[in-house]
Amino acid sequence: DADVTQTPRNRITKTGKRIMLECSQTKGHDRMYWYRQDPGLGLRLIYYSFDVKDINKGEISDGYSVSRQAQAKFSLSLESAIPNQTALYFCATSQLATSSYNEQFFGPGTRLTVL
Amino acid sequence: GQSLEQPSEVTAVEGAIVQINCTYQTSGFYGLSWYQQHDGGAPTFLSYNALDGLEETGRFSSFLSRSDSYGYLLLQELQMKDSASYFCAAPEGDYKLSFGAGTTVTVRA
Repeated sequence: DADVTQTPRNRITKTGKRIMLECSQTKGHDRMYWYRQDPGLGLRLIYYSFDVKDINKGEISDGYSVSRQAQAKFSLSLESAIPNQTALYFCATSQLATSSYNEQFFGPGTRLTVL
Repeated sequence: GQSLEQPSEVTAVEGAIVQINCTYQTSGFYGLSWYQQHDGGAPTFLSYNALDGLEETGRFSSFLSRSDSYGYLLLQELQMKDSASYFCAAPEGDYKLSFGAGTTVTVRA
């Protein structure tokens, strides 16, 4: 079984709709992240969470919100989807570390299309 | 914040050697990571350099020079399965990562 899972894997929706992307992990990691990937732009951080009570904005959080329901679950919401939110979305996890080393483990991604 | 630059594309033949360079500008630097991604799949961790020098893991090696704000990933004995995108990434102060835009490596027979 995959350690980091994302649902749905693909989603097509219309402008103005509310969308939730879900991420679950069985790795027991404290830290979880949401990224979006656009061609030629690499991975950009939307939100990250270091534990259930700690949520932080990343570089592109406008138009998104998140919920950390449990250590193992981290959801990303688009309250009112718009076409420029069409992208590949990844969830990732990492373990709290005392050094600066930070290997992240990624889910399989959700391909979102907003029409 | 961090800014990482890498070439957008590299093409090489099977058996060849490819070097992917990454230059960075950071407000604080802890080290440089490399990730591989096949065809929009999950990125996977390849290596991390905290100190200057070369780290070797099988056919792949990664190098860091802090004084030059520069690192590279070296892919040796290229195989078709190495066709993928490769990202350099740098941890920021509270351990989140900033990624470069990625280099697409195409291996030809």
